[in-house]
Amino acid sequence: AQKITQTQPGMFVQEKEAVTLDCTYDTSDQSYGLFWYKQPSSGEMIFLIYQGSYDEQNATEGRYSLNFQKARKSANLVISASQLGDSAMYFCAMRGHNQGGKLIFGQGTELSVKP
Amino acid sequence: NAGVTQTPKFQVLKTGQSMTLQCAQDMNHEYMSWYRQDPGMGLRLIHYSVGAGITDQGEVPNGYNVSRSTTEDFPLRLLSAAPSQTSVYFCASSSPSSPDNEKLFFGSGTQLSVL
Repeated sequence: AQKITQTQPGMFVQEKEAVTLDCTYDTSDQSYGLFWYKQPSSGEMIFLIYQGSYDEQNATEGRYSLNFQKARKSANLVISASQLGDSAMYFCAMRGHNQGGKLIFGQGTELSVKP
Repeated sequence: NAGVTQTPKFQVLKTGQSMTLQCAQDMNHEYMSWYRQDPGMGLRLIHYSVGAGITDQGEVPNGYNVSRSTTEDFPLRLLSAAPSQTSVYFCASSSPSSPDNEKLFFGSGTQLSVL
């Protein structure tokens, strides 16, 4: 069975500092995908970043980067230069092999950015 | 380009009532799925579809029915609403053949309360 674990229910970060949100996963698939989504207080789900299991380079999207450590089964999200608008819930998710459209989500981490 | 459209945004039901949550996408995506989000939890998959005429159960399918008669539409039916179905419901779509083939596009959600 596939599982995503986010062990940080809530985190605080000072504006302009970097922050790392933890995510570990469990799967027996050799091919899989890892995602991070942001959910602000307005409720919509916003795609941030994707990492394929065979991608050799860590994924980056602007201020977001995914620290992918395959042997440790971790896929941490790093947000550089935090902004007040980064305050939100962040969800790590995984798609298994040939499981298009079917994501397994973690419980989420609530990030609060302090001015 | 509207993306994924969910209706209604809010709904209050009495126990035992039935209703249909509507979901439509205009991106010609093959994959569509329904998730529910409960407080303190990530999204959990209810049902999904890989194409018109093909549906399958997700993690929490009991009490819900789906059908996919067209590529665009994927309605979720509550057969006999129960208080345990009070939740926020998200519809999502994706396509393995689009440039964003790994990204799930989410609707804005339906907040359902069952009294």
